[in-house]
Amino acid sequence: EDQVTQSPEALRLQEGESSSLNCSYTVSGLRGLFWYRQDPGKGPEFLFTLYSAGEEKEKERLKATLTKKESFLHITAPKPEDSATYLCAVQAGDSGYSTLTFGKGTMLLVSP
Amino acid sequence: DAGITQSPRYKITETGRQVTLMCHQTWSHSYMFWYRQDLGHGLRLIYYSAAADITDKGEVPDGYVVSRSKTENFPLTLESATRSQTSVYFCASRLAVDYNEQFFGPGTRLTVL
Repeated sequence: EDQVTQSPEALRLQEGESSSLNCSYTVSGLRGLFWYRQDPGKGPEFLFTLYSAGEEKEKERLKATLTKKESFLHITAPKPEDSATYLCAVQAGDSGYSTLTFGKGTMLLVSP
Repeated sequence: DAGITQSPRYKITETGRQVTLMCHQTWSHSYMFWYRQDLGHGLRLIYYSAAADITDKGEVPDGYVVSRSKTENFPLTLESATRSQTSVYFCASRLAVDYNEQFFGPGTRLTVL
């Protein structure tokens, strides 16, 4: 069974204080690892897809990296508008229609 | 406007009543999904569909029914609502099985009294 564990559950940062969110996974045949951002009262918004260990993707203050067992979402010099819940999901190769398995998310709060 | 929409956005119902949540997408995506999101559980897949008239169970299908007679619509029906089905429901769509970006609707907050 595919498993995705995100840590920490919640993180509070001061504006400008860089940090990382972790997503560890156990799957059989990873086809892709996804990061989403979810604002309160809204649906998740796609951020990145990573396909293989060593891959990195960047978008503004966010940088996602992937190893064979985990992914990190690095947030550099965060701003209050980066406050949201960040979700990690995996797509495994042995799933019939390759559905996504989500972690429970990390709630990030950036204070001014 | 193009995109994925859900209706209603908020619904309060009573135990035992039938409720249908609607999902509509304008992209002609093949794949559509229904998730529920609860504190402590994250997003859990209820049902999904690879195309019109093709549906399959996800992780938590009990108590739910889906249909997909048209590509753009994917309604979710709670045949006899229970309090444990109080949740936020998200519909999502994706172009194809290996297409990476999955788009989510705005969600329906359902309360079962």
